[in-house]
Amino acid sequence: AQSVTQLGSHVSVSEGALVLLRCNYSSSVPPYLFWYVQYPNQGLQLLLKYTTGATLVKGINGFEAEFKKSETSFHLTKPSAHMSDAAEYFCAVSEGYGNKLVFGAGTILRVKS
Amino acid sequence: DGGITQSPKYLFRKEGQNVTLSCEQNLNHDAMYWYRQDPGQGLRLIYYSQIVNDFQKGDIAEGYSVSREKKESFPLTVTSAQKNPTAFYLCATLPNGGSTDTQYFGPGTRLTVL
Repeated sequence: AQSVTQLGSHVSVSEGALVLLRCNYSSSVPPYLFWYVQYPNQGLQLLLKYTTGATLVKGINGFEAEFKKSETSFHLTKPSAHMSDAAEYFCAVSEGYGNKLVFGAGTILRVKS
Repeated sequence: DGGITQSPKYLFRKEGQNVTLSCEQNLNHDAMYWYRQDPGQGLRLIYYSQIVNDFQKGDIAEGYSVSREKKESFPLTVTSAQKNPTAFYLCATLPNGGSTDTQYFGPGTRLTVL
């Protein structure tokens, strides 16, 4: 079975600083990888996804992620944090029959002014 | 106005009572999913359905039941057999293309069992 590990349940950055949220996955087949964002008491919104092709994927709100097969990683970055980026972020991998998503435990991003 | 509707937003029930959470979509998506979210645990799959009148158990199906009588609707019943039902429940749909597509999420229902 596939699994997803997000290193750091809480990450704190200053406004304007680099955001780096880490995601590692285990998969025996080429993975389809996703990053979602969740604001308090709301559903999840897709930030970006990797399926095939270019390994550097650009998403909404200035976020991007790079698929590194050799490191089994799909880390999320943003060059300059904004206060509105404060939320919880989930990395997920699509798994087999039924196109189910397996999620990491999530990382809460705090942005300090 | 297309999308996924989950109602109610907040739900309170007494211990031992069954409760049904609603999920309705007008996106014409075939596949629908129910997830449970607990703090620090991410989302875990309860049940999913790829087509009307068919559904499969996810990772944590015990104490839950579902039905899929219409394409638009995928209600989830939390039964009294569920040991710890207090959680945030999210419904999702998937376009008909398959595994590279994005799952779309509803706004969620927060269930509190007193």
